[in-house]
Amino acid sequence: GENVEQHPSTLSVQEGDSAVIKCTYSDSASNYFPWYKQELGKGPQLIIDIRSNVGEKKDQRIAVTLNKTAKHFSLHITETQPEDSAVYFCAATPFTGNQFYFGTGTSLTVIP
Amino acid sequence: DGGITQSPKYLFRKEGQNVTLSCEQNLNHDAMYWYRQDPGQGLRLIYYSQIVNDFQKGDIAEGYSVSREKKESFPLTVTSAQKNPTAFYLCASSIDPGGEYEQYFGPGTRLTVT
Repeated sequence: GENVEQHPSTLSVQEGDSAVIKCTYSDSASNYFPWYKQELGKGPQLIIDIRSNVGEKKDQRIAVTLNKTAKHFSLHITETQPEDSAVYFCAATPFTGNQFYFGTGTSLTVIP
Repeated sequence: DGGITQSPKYLFRKEGQNVTLSCEQNLNHDAMYWYRQDPGQGLRLIYYSQIVNDFQKGDIAEGYSVSREKKESFPLTVTSAQKNPTAFYLCASSIDPGGEYEQYFGPGTRLTVT
């Protein structure tokens, strides 16, 4: 099955700086890559996603890049704010699959 | 308001007892999922259902059971056979059983077994 690795496990940045979280996947057939944000004690919420026919996608301060050749994708958050502090999860879904494979999460802390 | 509800938010049980976690969605989604979340391990799939009256085991199904008698409901039973049941349990649903679209998550149930 698919194996998704996520780095770093923890990340601290100063308010206003950028944050980058990276994920790699093993199954070259994976074609859908969502990113979720989870606040303490709550369920994850989708913040951005990308499909394998696109290399980059942006939504205001958030962007995701995908390198299919290298089998990795990254989340970029610019101009970070304290409310960006949360745990972020990446995931991958193989084309023939019907489940998400999640990374182990990155705990992001934005220091005011 | 459309969404997924899980109840209760906190659940306490004695070892050896079965316990059922509720998950209801009013999004008219075909697919529903149960995940277990432990610190540092991300989300692990327990069971999923692509359609009513059908479900499949995920990566860690041992000690758990599910039913899908109605499209809106996908309850999870944690049985006494589950060796380490204390965890945060998340239910999710998706419009696409094929896994190529967003999964919407409920708020979770934190189960503590002593």
